[in-house]
Amino acid sequence: GDSVTQMEGPVTLSEEAFLTINCTYTATGYPSLFWYVQYPGEGLQLLLKATKADDKGSNKGFEATYRKETTSFHLEKGSVQVSDSAVYFCALSPYNQGGKLIFGQGTELSVKP
Amino acid sequence: GAVVSQHPSWVICKSGTSVKIECRSLDFQATTMFWYRQFPKQSLMLMATSNEGSKATYEQGVEKDKFLINHASLTLSTLTVTSAHPEDSSFYICSASRSSGTYNEQFFGPGTRLTVL
Repeated sequence: GDSVTQMEGPVTLSEEAFLTINCTYTATGYPSLFWYVQYPGEGLQLLLKATKADDKGSNKGFEATYRKETTSFHLEKGSVQVSDSAVYFCALSPYNQGGKLIFGQGTELSVKP
Repeated sequence: GAVVSQHPSWVICKSGTSVKIECRSLDFQATTMFWYRQFPKQSLMLMATSNEGSKATYEQGVEKDKFLINHASLTLSTLTVTSAHPEDSSFYICSASRSSGTYNEQFFGPGTRLTVL
């Protein structure tokens, strides 16, 4: 079945460091891909999305490109801030299945000043 | 806009009792709502998809008689954990789906922490 695998955390970085969180997926057809963020004590929020191959999603300095050839959707940010500390979830929505989401295991990011 | 609330935010109950969790879309109508379960330090696991006015669709391995889902209106879905046991203790999260042009975006509630003693 469809699945998402993302790098294990926790990831600890210093402020202004470069961030990469790897995400790969297995799916039939053409899923949509998402990154969600969960700040401490809050619900999940959509960070960015890509709905077809080679699309780049971007928001708040974060970027991810839908790579069908490598079945990947890695999250990147050039310069992280302390306020980026959160848990990041990669997810896919299978094509034509009513919008259901399949999540990766989540990666906890901690940014130190 | 697109706010989803859950009530209660946390609940403690005795083993064998039933607990109802509400999920509301506050400022939009949601034809579809989803229920997830999240274990500590783990991912969200989809439990069921709930469509207004019809029976919920449960994921494989989820007991539909134990986790009763009702989607009575376009803004309200409820999850009832029947005869709860300690292994049902978890963080339950709902989401409500709204069309955003080419796809249906999900908006998540803050979650409900259930502890069964």
